[in-house]
Amino acid sequence: GAGVSQSPSNKVTEKGKDVELRCDPISGHTALYWYRQSLGQGLEFLIYFQGNSAPDKSGLPSDRFSAERTGGSVSTLTIQRTQQEDSAVYLCASSSYNQPQHFGDGTRLSIL
Amino acid sequence: GQQLNQSPQSMFIQEGEDVSMNCTSSSIFNTWLWYKQDPGEGPVLLIALYKAGELTSNGRLTAQFGITRKDSFLNISASIPSDVGIYFCAGPGDTDKLIFGTGTRLQVFP
Repeated sequence: GAGVSQSPSNKVTEKGKDVELRCDPISGHTALYWYRQSLGQGLEFLIYFQGNSAPDKSGLPSDRFSAERTGGSVSTLTIQRTQQEDSAVYLCASSSYNQPQHFGDGTRLSIL
Repeated sequence: GQQLNQSPQSMFIQEGEDVSMNCTSSSIFNTWLWYKQDPGEGPVLLIALYKAGELTSNGRLTAQFGITRKDSFLNISASIPSDVGIYFCAGPGDTDKLIFGTGTRLQVFP
């Protein structure tokens, strides 16, 4: 498709397990962003990739969170040793340089 | 750090009414973006503003870039049930990452 694609759309896992969330950005977009949205809340910035530059990781809430972007395209957000407070919707967005971001529909993560 | 404050936090209106919401910043922004988020989906870009004083329309939606560069307004005319959702303002922070407002939740009653 032409939009940002995220998978899985829903993920339920037990506390303490690791999870991987995937984002396929719009083809040709050099910038990729991850956000977290708790129920009924706004968007919390997590991490930002721009081309080959070092990622801006300033929003990652703890060292249990990490993200990679391979080949300048697909990105994976990994959460290790998940906690209940990690339950949220994780949104990915991509953009061309200095252009508005386009969002995927998110991954709804539930930690039991 | 930079913050965006949106008001009102929520609105409950009758179908056909006009809606107005705003967003204010503690610092100057050079771009203002307005997004709408439907339940279970990601935010979708409605309007982008790039110039102080700019007034831009998208159908029944009109947004303005405040002359001080510290605020922006979004108006929806003749609301319909599908306008229901959360409206977010956003602007680029000190780096390239967007700062989002806290959102205005709109409910439209028939």
